[in-house]
Amino acid sequence: EAGVAQSPRYKIIEKRQSVAFWCNPISGHATLYWYQQILGQGPKLLIQFQNNGVVDDSQLPKDRFSAERLKGVDSTLKIQPAKLEDSAVYLCASSPGRPPYEQYFGPGTRLTVT
Amino acid sequence: GQSLEQPSEVTAVEGAIVQINCTYQTSGFYGLSWYQQHDGGAPTFLSYNALDGLEETGRFSSFLSRSDSYGYLLLQELQMKDSASYFCAVRDGYQLIWGAGTKLIIKP
Repeated sequence: EAGVAQSPRYKIIEKRQSVAFWCNPISGHATLYWYQQILGQGPKLLIQFQNNGVVDDSQLPKDRFSAERLKGVDSTLKIQPAKLEDSAVYLCASSPGRPPYEQYFGPGTRLTVT
Repeated sequence: GQSLEQPSEVTAVEGAIVQINCTYQTSGFYGLSWYQQHDGGAPTFLSYNALDGLEETGRFSSFLSRSDSYGYLLLQELQMKDSASYFCAVRDGYQLIWGAGTKLIIKP
C-alpha cells in the first residue's frame, strides 16, 4: 500500500512570510496527525483529526497556525506569519485508529525560517 | 502534569544487547509504544504494549509494568543499522504523549 505523502520536502522562507504543507494519508485511515519536531526533541502534536473533525488542537498556536482536512482525506497545515522558532520538521502521520494504534509517518517537511 | 523519562543517550557495542528504559507519569494510560527514528528520517513503529509483560518481535522486545509505570525496549544482536533515536510514547485516551527520545550509538 502507498505510504503517507507529504510535500514539499524542504522549504526556506523569511520570517513573517506564509507557508503551507500538504499531506495525503494512507487510504482508509480515519485519523490524521500533524506534528512539529525540533532537532533533538520528540514529536510535538499540533493537531489531530478524526475524519474531517478536530479531536485535539490544544498545542496548535492558533494565532499563526491553521489546519484543515477537507472531505476527511488530504490535509493542509498553514503558518502565517512564520517566526524563526517555527524552524522544524513538520511530520504528518495517519492511523487506522485501532490497536496497536500504529502511526504511519510521512517523510516530513523541513522548514527553515530565516 | 504528564511526563515521560528516558535516557538521552545510550552507547553499546555491535553484537551486544541494550535496554532503553522509559518511565511515565500520565493522567491516563492505555498502552506504551516504541518508535525508531533514523537521522533525517521519519519515526517508524516498533511495538505496543497494553498489558504487563514482554512482547517479542525478532531482535526487539518490549516490556511493560503498569504498576511501576515503567517499560523498556530491548535490542539484541545489535547491528550498526540500529543506530537511531528511540522514542517511547504513552497512549492516553486518543492522544499519544511522546518522550524526548534516546539516541543509541553503536560502536564496532
